[in-house]
Parts: sequence; C-alpha cells; structure tokens
Amino acid sequence: AQKITQTQPGMFVQEKEAVTLDCTYDTSDPSYGLFWYKQPSSGEMIFLIYQGSYDQQNATEGRYSLNFQKARKSANLVISASQLGDSAMYFCAMREGSSGGYQKVTFGIGTKLQVIP
Amino acid sequence: NAGVTQTPKFQVLKTGQSMTLQCAQDMNHNSMYWYRQDPGMGLRLIYYSASEGTTDKGEVPNGYNVSRLNKREFSLRLESAAPSQTSVYFCASIKKRGSGRAGGETQYFGPGTRLLVL
Repeated sequence: AQKITQTQPGMFVQEKEAVTLDCTYDTSDPSYGLFWYKQPSSGEMIFLIYQGSYDQQNATEGRYSLNFQKARKSANLVISASQLGDSAMYFCAMREGSSGGYQKVTFGIGTKLQVIP
Repeated sequence: NAGVTQTPKFQVLKTGQSMTLQCAQDMNHNSMYWYRQDPGMGLRLIYYSASEGTTDKGEVPNGYNVSRLNKREFSLRLESAAPSQTSVYFCASIKKRGSGRAGGETQYFGPGTRLLVL
C-alpha cells in the first residue's frame, strides 16, 4: 500500500476562494508527523504546516490549515482566500518514528495547484 | 540570519568523480536533513542528523556519506558519483517547538543543489 496518497494530480481554484488538497496516509506507527510543503516553479521547497499524531487540534498557520482526521488517516490541506502566488506544486509527507531514533520520511507525488484570476 | 545555505548551486560531475555538498544553518537548530528530489517526484531522505556528532541513514543512503562536525554544518559527500545520483539535493534544518508528544516543528530548506552526473 502507498504510504502517502495524493489523488489530485492537478487542481484549479478561483482567486480568493478556498481550496482543499487531499492527502491520505498509511502507517501502523503510533507516533508520526504529517507535513505539507509548497514548491513553486522556481524549485525552492517551502515548509507550510506540521501535524503531530498526538495533537488534539488541527494545525493552522496563517491561511493554511490541516484537516486532520486520524481515524480516516487523512490530512488534507486547506488554503483559504487563494492568491495567485499560491500556484505551485504541493507535497504531503509523513515522518514515522520518534525524534532522535529511527525515522522514515515518505512524500506523496504532489498536487499541482493553479489559481485563476 | 542567512537561514539555510547550500553550496554549490549547480555542479556537473563525470562518473566516478567525488564531491561534497555543503550545508550550513545559523539558527542553532539541532536536527538537519539531506534529501534528494528526482524529476516529478517528492523528496527522499538520504541522511539525517538529530544533533551535533550524530548521523543516521534515511531511505536512500547508498552512495553517500555525511558529516556533522558541528551544530551549524551538515555536509553530504558523493565518493564515486554515478548517473543515478543526478538529482536536486535539498538540505533542511528543523526547529522543534515544545517537547515530547505535544511538540510541533518548523522546517527550513536551503535553495537546493542541482547535480548532473555524466
């Protein structure tokens, strides 16, 4: 089974609208972290948001929020009030194992988001 | 603060040549990572370092070695480059917030090194 699944190869959203990028994960490790990254066409990698498996509340960072549904093993990224600068590739990732010990990091294949004026 | 810096930005090697990719951060972070990104894919973890003086293998360590001599610097060495190592290499450092299970984190990436092995 895929560790990280991003089922939307491409998404369009109207400027100022909200958009949800889907991510499901598969792990039997009770301790894990979930991440979202943005990669513009310039190639840089930008960290957006982190959700720990023990966190009770959904993570939020400005216009980004992570809709964490543990039982469904889903970690969708919600971008509110989309801006033209949000057009980029978005990667979901999971890190298994505890800090300081064994760690495995798995990335999804990404979703390309295009914001339409 | 310069954040995370990587050198060089671009490099072309011939098969069998060696080189070291440098990464430095000035944010006093303990954890640092090396990733590679192949076309159309997400990142894959090569090596990581949880603290100064410690390193551990990630998913794709073969053909690479790393060195974490001090808190600032985490270098990645290719002893005998192969065409399969053509990739973009990213270094990242991790800022932990809080502690234990309740802790969060923020990651900072370098600009990347584009490596072509002929």
